[in-house]
Amino acid sequence: GDSVTQMEGPVTLSEEAFLTINCTYTATGYPSLFWYVQYPGEGLQLLLKATKADDKGSNKGFEATYRKETTSFHLEKGSVQVSDSAVYFCALPSGGSYIPTFGRGTSLIVHP
Amino acid sequence: EAGVAQSPRYKIIEKRQSVAFWCNPISGHATLYWYQQILGQGPKLLIQFQNNGVVDDSQLPKDRFSAERLKGVDSTLKIQPAKLEDSAVYLCASSSLKTGEAFFGQGTRLTVV
Repeated sequence: GDSVTQMEGPVTLSEEAFLTINCTYTATGYPSLFWYVQYPGEGLQLLLKATKADDKGSNKGFEATYRKETTSFHLEKGSVQVSDSAVYFCALPSGGSYIPTFGRGTSLIVHP
Repeated sequence: EAGVAQSPRYKIIEKRQSVAFWCNPISGHATLYWYQQILGQGPKLLIQFQNNGVVDDSQLPKDRFSAERLKGVDSTLKIQPAKLEDSAVYLCASSSLKTGEAFFGQGTRLTVV
């Protein structure tokens, strides 16, 4: 079935460093792709999405480009802040539905 | 707009006891999901409802887990009897048929001792 694979964490960075969290997908066709974020003690929130190949999703300084040639949807941010510390999940809808299927998550820790 | 509400936030029970979780989705959202998130893993779908009907419960351990969504609004998820490996965060999410985007509650953290 459709699935995503994320890089293992934790990712530990200093404030203002560049962030990349890798995500690759396996799917039939070209599903929408999502990044969700889970801040400590909170539920999952949709961070950004891309609905077709070559689309770029962006929100709160984060970006991800849907690349079908490499089946990737890597999350990037040019300058991270301490408040970005959270767990980030790559996801796609499974089986042609809207049900998100999640990767295992990548923990980001940003130090001042 | 009010978000997805879940209760309780935390629950500690002994193995073989029963427990129930409650979810109130966003008003007007026809689709409701229950996920299980074990520490260090991504959320895994347990069951999906559309209105008060079950769409997908293929990953629900039916010998001990049950869920219902009476009247197509609130939902409860029950575990009876609980096992140690049921320790996890149980997330409820809802989505509208129009957009499909899922909105998540804060979850219930269950610890089985």
